[in-house]
Amino acid sequence: AQKVTQAQTEISVVEKEDVTLDCVYETRDTTYYLFWYKQPPSGELVFLIRRNSFDEQNEISGRYSWNFQKSTSSFNFTITASQVVDSAVYFCALSDAGGYQKVTFGTGTKLQVIP
Amino acid sequence: DARVTQTPRHKVTEMGQEVTMRCQPILGHNTVFWYRQTMMQGLELLAYFRNRAPLDDSGMPKDRFSAEMPDATLATLKIQPSEPRDSAVYFCASGLPTGRPDGYTFGSGTRLTVV
Repeated sequence: AQKVTQAQTEISVVEKEDVTLDCVYETRDTTYYLFWYKQPPSGELVFLIRRNSFDEQNEISGRYSWNFQKSTSSFNFTITASQVVDSAVYFCALSDAGGYQKVTFGTGTKLQVIP
Repeated sequence: DARVTQTPRHKVTEMGQEVTMRCQPILGHNTVFWYRQTMMQGLELLAYFRNRAPLDDSGMPKDRFSAEMPDATLATLKIQPSEPRDSAVYFCASGLPTGRPDGYTFGSGTRLTVV
């Protein structure tokens, strides 16, 4: 069975601070995908990134960066120089890479960026 | 940008009534998911379809919920009879699971309130 754990329920930071959201996953699959989604107060779910388990290179996109470490089954998300618009709930998710590719979500981390 | 369209956006209904939620996936996407989001349970996978065939609906209460894809442009989730505990936001998502960097695209959700 697949499982995604986001131990941080809520985080508050002051604007311009860096913040890291943790994600730990469990899977028996040798190939899988990891995702991060953002859910702003408006409620929609916005795709941020998908990472293949073969690719352990860290990725940076603007102020966002992701650290994938297979050895610790973690896929952490860092926001650099946080902004008020980053306030949202962030979900980490996992799917197998085989036929089904069913996506399992973590419980989410609510990030509040205080001006 | 291509979008997943869900209707209605909001629905208030009385207990015992039938509720039908509709989803128009992005043209060309062959995988459709239905998720339910509540404060208590987070994002729960209810059902998903590949090429219009149901692959897994084990997350759905079978006695009252049903999900179908009558054609490639329409997915429906029906609750009959509805109960107050069904109150939640129901999301539809579509995607192409294999070999693409994109994640699944979510609709804006249907906020269901059963009174």
